[in-house]
Amino acid sequence: GDSVTQMEGPVTLSEEAFLTINCTYTATGYPSLFWYVQYPGEGLQLLLKATKADDKGSNKGFEATYRKETTSFHLEKGSVQVSDSAVYFCALRTSGGGADGLTFGKGTHLIIQP
Amino acid sequence: EPEVTQTPSHQVTQMGQEVILRCVPISNHLYFYWYRQILGQKVEFLVSFYNNEISEKSEIFDDQFSVERPDGSNFTLKIRSTKLEDSAMYFCASSTNRGNESEQFFGPGTRLTVL
Repeated sequence: GDSVTQMEGPVTLSEEAFLTINCTYTATGYPSLFWYVQYPGEGLQLLLKATKADDKGSNKGFEATYRKETTSFHLEKGSVQVSDSAVYFCALRTSGGGADGLTFGKGTHLIIQP
Repeated sequence: EPEVTQTPSHQVTQMGQEVILRCVPISNHLYFYWYRQILGQKVEFLVSFYNNEISEKSEIFDDQFSVERPDGSNFTLKIRSTKLEDSAMYFCASSTNRGNESEQFFGPGTRLTVL
């Protein structure tokens, strides 16, 4: 079945550091890929998405490129801020067939220190 | 900004008891979902619901579970005869449509602890 693997946390960085959170996937068919973020006490929020190979999703300075050849969707940000501290989830949904459910990774806890 | 709300934020119950987790989806959304996350594990899809019936369910969603939209605003997940392994964070979500162009909006979750 479909699965998502992302790097274990917590990841601790200093403010203004470069961020990469790795995400790889296994899926039948042609999935769409997502990054969700969860701030303390809140629900999961969609951060960015990409629906086909080579698409780049971007939002709030975060980027991720859909790499079909490496089945990856790594999240990057050039300069992180303390306010980026949160849990980040990589997810996929297989296109076609009306599939509803997202398949998530375990989540990566990101801690940004001032 | 509209948001999905869930109550209670934390529910503690004894093994064998029934619990009902409540969600209020965003008002103009038509598709509703439940997910769960056991501590230290992945967020897992349980069920989706549309037009007063289940549209998709995972293998986790067995006869122990049921969902209902009892009125125009609430969406509930009932867990009968709870087991220790049902302890998890349960997330509700809603969307305007299906498919990859429709974002699922998540609530903050209910932490269920079964003793």
